[in-house]
Amino acid sequence: DIVMTQSPDSLAVSLGERATINCKSSQSVLNNSNNKNYLAWYQQKPGQPPKLLIYWASTRESGVPDRFSGSGSGTDFTLTISSLQAEDVAVYSCQQYYSTPYTFGQGTKLEIK
Amino acid sequence: EVQLLESGGGLVQPGGSLRLSCAASGFTFSDYAMSWVRQAPGKGLEWVSLIVVTDGSTYYADSVKGRFSISRDNSKNMLYLQMSSLRAEDTAVYHCAKAGCGGNRCYSNSWGQGTLVTVSS
Repeated sequence: DIVMTQSPDSLAVSLGERATINCKSSQSVLNNSNNKNYLAWYQQKPGQPPKLLIYWASTRESGVPDRFSGSGSGTDFTLTISSLQAEDVAVYSCQQYYSTPYTFGQGTKLEIK
Repeated sequence: EVQLLESGGGLVQPGGSLRLSCAASGFTFSDYAMSWVRQAPGKGLEWVSLIVVTDGSTYYADSVKGRFSISRDNSKNMLYLQMSSLRAEDTAVYHCAKAGCGGNRCYSNSWGQGTLVTVSS
């Protein structure tokens, strides 16, 4: 199974500042035949289901604000929130869908400093 | 608007069985793969199972393989998860999720609110 490890486990950032969350996979999730990374990012607020933010490592889901961006390839990925807003307080999780089981990272809790 | 509504959760004794259902609407159900993902209280997300539409293949996490069975009824726009030999560690909120494509190797782009399964004596 591919193990997904996020860092940090929790993060406190001031409003308007940049937040960066990292995700590392134990094996590459890059498909060399189509040059796609099978990596998604989700946001989950308390009492709500997860919401897709980013897929193919860097493609923003429709309706997601452009302050959210994803980057990385192979085994190392990053979710960046360029200017933190109050409504961004949530748990963020990465997931690989390269091979089953489609494992998730443990989650990163983002709070306001 | 995509809507996914889970039902069937509840309290069950260890070793018991339960069938979860997910009613889908707002999209052509038969075109998309569907998954079950669970979240134990205070814990992270755990992928449980996937059913694709390309060839009807099913996939399971090792933790549930041989005990859980995923199925779908495209005529009713319904997804199911039959759970048996339930254990305390199966206690979680179970979400159904719509994939962004019909096959495997796809992200989930819509999620239901979930249904709580509690396994306890």
